Amino acid sequence: GESVGLHLPTLSVQEGDNSIINCAYSNSASDYFIWYKQESGKGPQFIIDIRSNMDKRQGQRVTVLLNKTVKHLSLQIAATQPGDSAVYFCAESLGVGRRALTFGSGTRLQVQP
Amino acid sequence: ETGVTQTPRHLVMGMTNKKSLKCEQHLGHNAMYWYKQSAKKPLELMFVYSLEERVENNSVPSRFSPECPNSSHLFLHLHTLQPEDSALYLCASSQGWGSRVPNYGYTFGSGTRLTVV
Repeated sequence: GESVGLHLPTLSVQEGDNSIINCAYSNSASDYFIWYKQESGKGPQFIIDIRSNMDKRQGQRVTVLLNKTVKHLSLQIAATQPGDSAVYFCAESLGVGRRALTFGSGTRLQVQP
Repeated sequence: ETGVTQTPRHLVMGMTNKKSLKCEQHLGHNAMYWYKQSAKKPLELMFVYSLEERVENNSVPSRFSPECPNSSHLFLHLHTLQPEDSALYLCASSQGWGSRVPNYGYTFGSGTRLTVV
């Protein structure tokens, strides 16, 4: 399930540091956003979501921030661990009547021990 | 395991072959999806089935033929593929296909890595 071969931007961090992964989305009418994590050999897995009526949502060690003014989404991972190494995708739902998720191209996170 | 199982995990086929990819979900979901993940593009939606009815076909060539015999099973029949069709094919499911993407989005399988030679 890996996206091997895709020329992805890569973020390299030290274990224990905080990570910030960014995503620029395309449609100002998008009203629902999801971050997915894709580990090698697996399909994308849900991490956290946010609706457009919010600007921040927190989970366990993860926080998603939404800036609708500049159409920007970020994923913050606290105290990054080796198990966080993966490709991270943002996905947007383009609003009422556009019912399928549209995915970004992804960012590869490498955690150095 | 996510509850969505895809077989086979890897497939190598010639351009004149006919093969099928299988997806099975054990989550009680009623919508299923095929996505293509290739080296040069983000995840691309191919087909959507809701309650066993195809509700979206994203301009996919006819050499890809989906089938959804029931709400738990989804197939992708392949024939006369091209080398550029080599990719990871991901199946996903969700509860509901309405006017909005359901909460938590979709649950994905691990994919079938397809190589066309």
